[in-house]
Formats: sequence, structure tokens, C-alpha cells
Amino acid sequence: TQLLEQSPQFLSIQEGENLTVYCNSSSVFSSLQWYRQEPGEGPVLLVTVVTGGEVKKLKRLTFQFGDARKDSSLHITAAQPGDTGLYLCAGARSPGTYKYIFGTGTRLKVLA
Amino acid sequence: DVKVTQSSRYLVKRTGEKVFLECVQDMDHENMFWYRQDPGLGLRLIYFSYDVKMKEKGDIPEGYSVSREKKERFSLILESASTNQTSMYLCASSVGTRDNQPQHFGDGTRLSIL
Repeated sequence: TQLLEQSPQFLSIQEGENLTVYCNSSSVFSSLQWYRQEPGEGPVLLVTVVTGGEVKKLKRLTFQFGDARKDSSLHITAAQPGDTGLYLCAGARSPGTYKYIFGTGTRLKVLA
Repeated sequence: DVKVTQSSRYLVKRTGEKVFLECVQDMDHENMFWYRQDPGLGLRLIYFSYDVKMKEKGDIPEGYSVSREKKERFSLILESASTNQTSMYLCASSVGTRDNQPQHFGDGTRLSIL
């Protein structure tokens, strides 16, 4: 069974700090997505990475897909209270599949 | 904008009842999904449908069934509800004709089985 472990599980930081969230697996994924979920809402897609080593930036968020496509990281620079939420990674089990396996989640709280 | 609507935000049912969770999407998406979300476990796929009347089991289908009679509607059925099915249930849809498409989620149904 493919598993995606995220770390840390919880993170509470002050506004302006930097942080990194990790998403790790022993399995290879054909692509990986990152979602953010705010309280009372469903997850919303932030980014999709497809190529090993790929780096994508979304304003203060930087996403990287590992060279071997087994892991990914999300780095937030100068975190703001609006970044608060549950961050989920999701890996495509194989090329052409529409089914993703979701990570265990990282709950981030940014204090003003 | 894609809209995925789940019929109830909160639902309380009793053990042994048959429970229906409804989901409707308005973007003509081929794929629809039902997940349950539990703390520390992320989202786990219950069932997936890639077309009308077509379905595939996900990772945790036991105790659940689904129905997709129309493209826009995907129903999750708990045949005989049990307390271990108390959870947040999320429905999602995605385009079925291209890889790496985003899943669009509803806001969830928090189901409590007493």
C-alpha cells in the first residue's frame, strides 16, 4: 500500500517566520499535488508538480518535487495569518490515473 | 467556477440506519469521488466513479456503496450505519479527459452515528 507521510503534523509559528512542510513516501508517484483546506471548507488545489526535481513558486510558497519523485516539500516564506490551514499532499498512483493517495496532513497556525 | 455541493453540512443518524449522502457538481466532470477525512489520517478514498453507472472501489469501501445514475450526481450510501463511520465526508469531481487535473471538493458533510 502506498503511503504518504507528512511532517510535521502540527506547526504553530509567528507571523513573518519561514517554514517547510515535508511529504515523504517509499513509492514513486507520477505527479504530486498540494492542497490547502481551511476550516469548514473542502481542500483547494495549490499546485501540481510532475517532473522529478521540479520547483514551482506561488507568491511566498515554493513547492519542490524530489528527484526520484518519492517526496515533496512546501516552503513558506514570511508566513502570514492567512496561510493558516491544513496542508495536504496527494500523489498520483500511476500515469493516466485520476485517483490520488492523500498524505496525513500538516495543520499550520500562523499567529499575528 | 466549479461548484460541488453536498446536500448536508451536518447529519446525525442512529446505528443501523441506512444513510444517504448526496453530491452534485455543475461542471460536467466525468470523475467523481467520495472520501472520508479523519484526524491524522488525511483523506481516504471510499469510491470513485469515472462515468455514469461506473464505479470503482477505493481504499476503504467496506460498509459503503455508491450510485451514479446521472453525470452530475454521486451518492454515497451507508447500508447499515455504525459508530466507526462517524467522520467528515468529502465529495470531489475532476475532468476525466486529461492527466493531473485538480480535484474540486465540496465543503463536506460531518456525519455523527449515535
